[in-house]
Amino acid sequence: SQTIHQWPATLVQPVGSPLSLECTVEGTSNPNLYWYRQAAGRGLQLLFYSVGIGQISSEVPQNLSASRPQDRQFILSSKKLLLSDSGFYLCAWSKNTGGEPYNEQFFGPGTRLTVL
Amino acid sequence: GQNIDQPTEMTATEGAIVQINCTYQTSGFNGLFWYQQHAGEAPTFLSYNVLDGLEEKGRFSSFLSRSKGYSYLLLKELQMKDSASYLCAVRDRKAAGNKLTFGGGTRVLVKP
Repeated sequence: SQTIHQWPATLVQPVGSPLSLECTVEGTSNPNLYWYRQAAGRGLQLLFYSVGIGQISSEVPQNLSASRPQDRQFILSSKKLLLSDSGFYLCAWSKNTGGEPYNEQFFGPGTRLTVL
Repeated sequence: GQNIDQPTEMTATEGAIVQINCTYQTSGFNGLFWYQQHAGEAPTFLSYNVLDGLEEKGRFSSFLSRSKGYSYLLLKELQMKDSASYLCAVRDRKAAGNKLTFGGGTRVLVKP
């Protein structure tokens, strides 16, 4: 079976500090990978997605970047955090099936980031 | 782009039924998903509709009308553990990478 891991679970960082959040998937190969941010009481905002190693698409202009150094590893980074970067960060994966309709996304446990 | 609307909050009594509506606008509809998210946790998949009609899974059912751009999630025999946010998400066939666009979520509070 497939599992998705994220760490750390919680993080408190000062404004201006760097950030690195990691996500890994087990039990599947060549997945689509996603980073979402969720503000308190709000829906999910897609930040980045990747369809393969080294292939990153950004959905919104922001202070963050993403990388996919290995097939099942997805990293979210920032050089200098802003207060507005606080939120609940969720990594997700789906099968890379080229548009097959029934293809849900599976979410990791999330990282709660507080920028002070 | 896509526009997805769902109510912000609903309250219901244990044992009752609640219907959560979702309306969407998309030029190339290719599936609608419902997720459940308990506070502080990750969303978990509930249901999927791509054709018109009702899909039933135990106490939960989801309905889709593509011509109306409308879906609902029906929760029957409500239990306290059903208190959570319910997220509606739509996939557009033109969207690369199997991307989903999520609505803002509906927070359901189940009272005794």
